[in-house]
Amino acid sequence: DAGVIQSPRHEVTEMGQEVTLRCKPISGHNSLFWYRQTMMRGLELLIYFNNNVPIDDSGMPEDRFSAKMPNASFSTLKIQPSEPRDSAVYFCASSQGQGGEKLFFGSGTQLSVL
Amino acid sequence: AQSVTQPDIHITVSEGASLELRCNYSYGATPYLFWYVQSPGQGLQLLLKYFSGDTLVQGIKGFEAEFKRSQSSFNLRKPSVHWSDAAEYFCAVGSGGYQKVTFGTGTKLQVIP
Repeated sequence: DAGVIQSPRHEVTEMGQEVTLRCKPISGHNSLFWYRQTMMRGLELLIYFNNNVPIDDSGMPEDRFSAKMPNASFSTLKIQPSEPRDSAVYFCASSQGQGGEKLFFGSGTQLSVL
Repeated sequence: AQSVTQPDIHITVSEGASLELRCNYSYGATPYLFWYVQSPGQGLQLLLKYFSGDTLVQGIKGFEAEFKRSQSSFNLRKPSVHWSDAAEYFCAVGSGGYQKVTFGTGTKLQVIP
């Protein structure tokens, strides 16, 4: 299995631009999580899905952030408009079952907003 | 709300020495506890987990952890550290039917020859 695949690996954009991060979970996994990692705040859970349905989005920082999971093999995290304080590493993780018994992480997207 | 505290931001040990990384959790019910490891530029990988039963759990790469309810702790141990163990280690707690997993701030391990 190829594992959780995230793209792009690196993204550099200017403030105000729209950013879309993509994630392909492991086939057969039905829970998907988006995390953000920064030096100041560590790993923060942004949102998680079960069977393509958003279960908890309380970690999404602002309305500028949105996430979708149109099918079992694809999810996006969008930031519009982006701001410099959004600069972070964004991780996608997937798991079997209802939640996080064992999370499999992607390699992350390093986002820099100038 | 659940939370995890890792009091040590950075730890340095000599290769071959023993290791203990501290983790304290806050959760009202019986927690689900995890340790993950992150190598530079990579995502996190599960080392071990505790859900119930034996309070001493074995994981991959020779790591083990002990759940102590009275101390609200779940410390990670390894008897002899290898240079390849240098990485960042995260303790995490899970809760709820949908296993919302909350991570600590991590402990960065440096291994010196």
